[in-house]
Amino acid sequence: DTGVSQDPRHKITKRGQNVTFRCDPISEHNRLYWYRQTLGQGPEFLTYFQNEAQLEKSRLLSDRFSAERPKGSFSTLEIQRTEQGDSAMYLCASSLVGSGDIDTQYFGPGTRLTVL
Amino acid sequence: AQSVTQLGSHVSVSEGALVLLRCNYSSSVPPYLFWYVQYPNQGLQLLLKYTTGATLVKGINGFEAEFKKSETSFHLTKPSAHMSDAAEYFCAVTHNTNAGKSTFGDGTTLTVKP
Repeated sequence: DTGVSQDPRHKITKRGQNVTFRCDPISEHNRLYWYRQTLGQGPEFLTYFQNEAQLEKSRLLSDRFSAERPKGSFSTLEIQRTEQGDSAMYLCASSLVGSGDIDTQYFGPGTRLTVL
Repeated sequence: AQSVTQLGSHVSVSEGALVLLRCNYSSSVPPYLFWYVQYPNQGLQLLLKYTTGATLVKGINGFEAEFKKSETSFHLTKPSAHMSDAAEYFCAVTHNTNAGKSTFGDGTTLTVKP
């Protein structure tokens, strides 16, 4: 169990550019979550997957945001035409549903995005 | 609907003193409650969780929290603060039909003075 990993850890981009972040969950986990965390705030839920199915995406902040989990393993979060307001920490979490425990999420270290 | 309020965005204690971080929640159904710790430039680490059963929950690093339904509270305590406890702490709520979509408070930054 190597934990949840995220890549890159830091991303600096110019306004208007597209960025893509990757999350690798704990290997046997079937659920994967994306959150956004801005300075001084708690994480804000964006979207989640059960295996490869995206079960909720209504909380994605705009149509510039999209996420995929094509084979039910790693996931990517893409932001198109970035804006300065997108600057934040993007957190990924994974969990194992159906193990008899509740949906306990394990978080990755996050990707810090800075839009200039 | 569910929400979390963490009272006090900053708490400062002396090393060896009691730590008390406050969390009140709102939930229309029985809640699941969590406390996480976040160190600078790191992700969140689960400290403890309450689902059902015993209302006093013990977690890692000597922390514990008590679920009080009548007060809609889930305050986090530690009898004796250590310098390594300095971090940001988040309380979160979800419930069993919410597919784990947790709602987080805004966090409390704990400072430990030598």
